[in-house]
This record gives sequence, C-alpha cells and structure tokens, in this order.
Amino acid sequence: KNEVEQSPQNLTAQEGEFITINCSYSVGISALHWLQQHPGGGIVSLFMLSSGKKKHGRLIATINIQEKHSSLHITASHPRDSAVYICAVSAHNTDKLIFGTGTRLQVFP
Amino acid sequence: NAGVMQNPRHLVRRRGQEARLRCSPMKGHSHVYWYRQLPEEGLKFMVYLQKENIIDESGMPKERFSAEFPKEGPSILRIQQVVRGDSAAYFCASSPYRQPNTEAFFGQGTRLTVV
Repeated sequence: KNEVEQSPQNLTAQEGEFITINCSYSVGISALHWLQQHPGGGIVSLFMLSSGKKKHGRLIATINIQEKHSSLHITASHPRDSAVYICAVSAHNTDKLIFGTGTRLQVFP
Repeated sequence: NAGVMQNPRHLVRRRGQEARLRCSPMKGHSHVYWYRQLPEEGLKFMVYLQKENIIDESGMPKERFSAEFPKEGPSILRIQQVVRGDSAAYFCASSPYRQPNTEAFFGQGTRLTVV
C-alpha cells in the first residue's frame, strides 16, 4: 500500500463544475503539498499546508491532521485547469517528499 | 529572480552512453532535491544535496547513478551506461531551507529517452 493515496485517479468535468480531489496518507507528516503538472510541463507548487485551510483564487486546500486526509477543491473549473494534480507529504524526520500517483483532471468547455 | 533551471529539457542517449542532467537552483537556495518520474508512475525521491554535500541518497540506484552539487555551478545528476529503463522525466527542486515545512520550487524537468 502506498504511503500517499489519491482519489480519483482520473476525473472529467464540465466547465464551471466544482471539483474535489482527495489525498490520504499513512505516515506522520510535517507538511502536505499540492502540486500541479501540465502535460509535458514542469511542476508548480500550489499549496503547502500543515493545518486548516488555504485559499488561492479558485483553489482551496484543506487538511485534517487527525484523519490524515487532505482535499483540493477547484471552484468554477475551467479548461485551463486540466492537468495532473499531485499530493505530496514531508514525512517526519525525513528531508524528502513522498508523492501520490496524481489525479488527472480534464475540464471540457 | 529566475526559477529553478534545468537543462537540457530533452535528452536522447543511446544505450551505454552517459547522461548528464543539470539543475541550477533558485538564487539563494542551497538545498537541491532530485526526483524521477517513470512513465505512468508517480514521482520518486532520488537524492538530496546541499552545497558540496550529499545529505540523503537513499533513493538513488546503487550503480551507474551519481549526483553532485559543487561550490560553484549547477547540481549535476549523472547516469553512466544508460539503459532503456532509465527513460524518464527527472525533476530538480530547490529550497532555501531543509524540506520539511518549506515550499519546494521545481524545475521544468529533463526528459531522458534512451534508444
């Protein structure tokens, strides 16, 4: 079993829909990261959080430390949001990130 | 302030050749991390370096792979005698401090194809 699990693996949506991507982890963490990767492109950091909730534009990230779960929400989705969204954690006593396998999102006009 | 710069963006090597991947961290960042993304797989940690030191290389294959981050110049990930299974995207990330609780800034990646 992977230490970081994401769901769903693939997600399609119509433009304007509200989208939720989930991430569960099984290790103690210092922080959790949400990353975005466009096809053939680099990786962009969207959020880093260790508690509560963060908002940036149409993106919202939440984390529940007790339940070891985080969600990434996209409000009013747009085709340009189409990308792979990756959850990663900084586990305690380690310097490396542990990644989920990603959620491939396609938003159609 | 330029972001993390990786070059080349694409690299094609024949089996048995050497591949050298370069990563220039963001200005002021002295911590560099290398990750590998195999086709249809998630990212996996390879190595963590600070200037002139390898801090954690637990994700590096035991043979053919090496990494350095000299006092001057970029960090280099070197793969000797490449094989088809080395074909992957290699990403570098840098941060001003050690990873926990610090946002990581990623480069555009180097896509290595071994033919």
